[in-house]
Amino acid sequence: EIVLTQSPGTLSLSPGERATLSCRASQSVSSNFLAWYQQKPGQAPRLLIYGASSRATGIPDRFSGSGSGTDFTLTISRLEPEDFAVYYCQQYGSSPPWTFGQGTKVEIK
Amino acid sequence: EVHLVESGGGLVQPGGSLRLSCATSGFTFSSYEMNWVRQAPGKGLEWVSYISSSATTIYYADSVRGRFTISRDNAKNSLYLQMNSLRAEDTAVYYCARDLVLVRGVFDYWGQGTLVTVSS
Repeated sequence: EIVLTQSPGTLSLSPGERATLSCRASQSVSSNFLAWYQQKPGQAPRLLIYGASSRATGIPDRFSGSGSGTDFTLTISRLEPEDFAVYYCQQYGSSPPWTFGQGTKVEIK
Repeated sequence: EVHLVESGGGLVQPGGSLRLSCATSGFTFSSYEMNWVRQAPGKGLEWVSYISSSATTIYYADSVRGRFTISRDNAKNSLYLQMNSLRAEDTAVYYCARDLVLVRGVFDYWGQGTLVTVSS
């Protein structure tokens, strides 16, 4: 099973700032099958990025994903008030189990 | 518009059973692979189970294999999760989630979740 470790646990930033979130895998993620989700309190997760760098339908271009192998990054270029939330990375290699990281909380500084 | 609505959660004693349902609308349910994902209170996300569009392929997480059964009824546009031998550690919000088309394991639409509490 691939274990995903996200850092930092909490990111304290102000609106307009750039957010950089990291996700490290315990072994190489095949074909860069890495996704990112956003979750706000009391809500279901929302798909942001899949294939490490492809934005899901309707996701603003301030969200971008990068990386390969074992190291992946989600970047939010300029934080909007609605972007303060918890972010999860997830690997979806060819065979389950598909696993999530423990999450990074982006909070208002 | 795509809608996924879970139901069937509640309080159950350890060792008990519960059946969750997910009613869907707004898309051709029979063409999509589906999943259950859970989230324990205050914790992260855990994938639970997957079922292919025709139910010919099914996967489970090790933590639930042998106790949970996923199924679907394409005529009713519905997904199910039969949960037996429930344990305290199964306490969570259970989400049904649709696979992104042609990308198995990526969840593009989620329901609002249903809370399952296992406690005596």
